[in-house]
Amino acid sequence: EVQLVESGGGLVQPGGSLRLSCAASGFTFSDHRMDWVRQAPGKGLEWVARVRNKVNGYTIEYAAAVKGRFTISRDDSRNSLYLQMNSLNTEDTAVYYCVRDSSNWALDYWGQGTQVTVSS
Amino acid sequence: AIQLTQSPSSLSASVGDRVTITCRASQDISTFLVWYQQKPGIPPKLLIYHASTLEGGVPSRFSGSGSGTDFTLTISSLQPEDYATYYCQQFKSYPLTFGGGTRVEIK
Repeated sequence: EVQLVESGGGLVQPGGSLRLSCAASGFTFSDHRMDWVRQAPGKGLEWVARVRNKVNGYTIEYAAAVKGRFTISRDDSRNSLYLQMNSLNTEDTAVYYCVRDSSNWALDYWGQGTQVTVSS
Repeated sequence: AIQLTQSPSSLSASVGDRVTITCRASQDISTFLVWYQQKPGIPPKLLIYHASTLEGGVPSRFSGSGSGTDFTLTISSLQPEDYATYYCQQFKSYPLTFGGGTRVEIK
């Protein structure tokens, strides 16, 4: 069974940092592109970042809203995905989901999400 | 960035109704279009990819169509468990983008 379990969320002051982690199991993690998607309270889905797999050179893409502040990374030896978030602002408040790309250009497995709240 | 505009933003329908949701892209995305269903407090669920391919385990009352800039998600006979918010997403180019969502409510 595919499982994606996020951790690392919490309350942080504006300008602060957080590092999210995602532990993957039940599939060959190294084969898949992996994404972070967020959802602000009462709002829609917003794609945040993607890291490709080894075959695709571990290349990375970011949404404009987070580029230069967030860093996505992965450790295939630990079956883990990460999101380092710096210079956080109130607009970053959201549930952050760790998501697997199916290799059919779709996001087929989602974690339960971790809440990030940026507030003074 | 490619913008996706969903319509309507919300609708009310009865069990058994045929429901159609539209997603319009700001530029040609071929068939790189995906549909998700999300219920409150639960992560989204993949329904359809490549605009019209049903994900395994998804009921056949769901269907998708379209290519280029105009896409539709159809629920042929709405069931109680289908009340949810539906999102489209494009995979044609980065940044990947979602539509604003369509909330399907009980009439």
